[in-house]
Amino acid sequence: GAVVSQHPSRVICKSGTSVKIECRSLDFQATTMFWYRQFPKKSLMLMATSNEGSKATYEQGVEKDKFLINHASLTLSTLTVTSAHPEDSSFYICSASFRRLAGNYEQYFGPGTRLTVT
Amino acid sequence: GIQVEQSPPDLILQEGANSTLRCNFSDSVNNLQWFHQNPWGQLINLFYIPSGTKQNGRLSATTVATERYSLLYISSSQTTDSGVYFCAVKIWGTGNQFYFGTGTSLTVIP
Repeated sequence: GAVVSQHPSRVICKSGTSVKIECRSLDFQATTMFWYRQFPKKSLMLMATSNEGSKATYEQGVEKDKFLINHASLTLSTLTVTSAHPEDSSFYICSASFRRLAGNYEQYFGPGTRLTVT
Repeated sequence: GIQVEQSPPDLILQEGANSTLRCNFSDSVNNLQWFHQNPWGQLINLFYIPSGTKQNGRLSATTVATERYSLLYISSSQTTDSGVYFCAVKIWGTGNQFYFGTGTSLTVIP
């Protein structure tokens, strides 16, 4: 199947700093990328949907100024957590989607990034 | 909003036992998938099953879309089956994003 990578796999940063997480589709062009957040022992919560070249659509309750999402190309989306606080510590997962010729969409998930804010 | 509830939330099995995991959803769906999240956090797609029944080895799944539920069957469980199982749905008219269920944490003991 298709491969989606995330970098870094884990990161520790100090409160007040910003951290960027990259999501890449390695062998396909992703028209849409999604960002999810997962708290320990909890489900995945959709944060935002981004389409290449346009602004991301954020889910209700997600601060767009805190979680900056950029989808600059068909293979790369970035999530920047700005002015990080300990409560932003979480597991962040991206997924990338493309449309097959048959018309159906396929979606693949990255391995996740564990963020710890001290 | 969409509700996707899974049961049981936690399950402990002896190796070799069978189990059934359930996923109930509150809206009509155009896509339903079952995932296994391994201990490292990677989501592994098990089944694409918006309706009907599929089997893959020791795993099988059934979705009854009209009654808004899906079942995942694990037979002859192995310790490597441990992890969290999620169902995720896509809803008609709401775009291409998945909405994940609450998850079932499975532990298979030798």
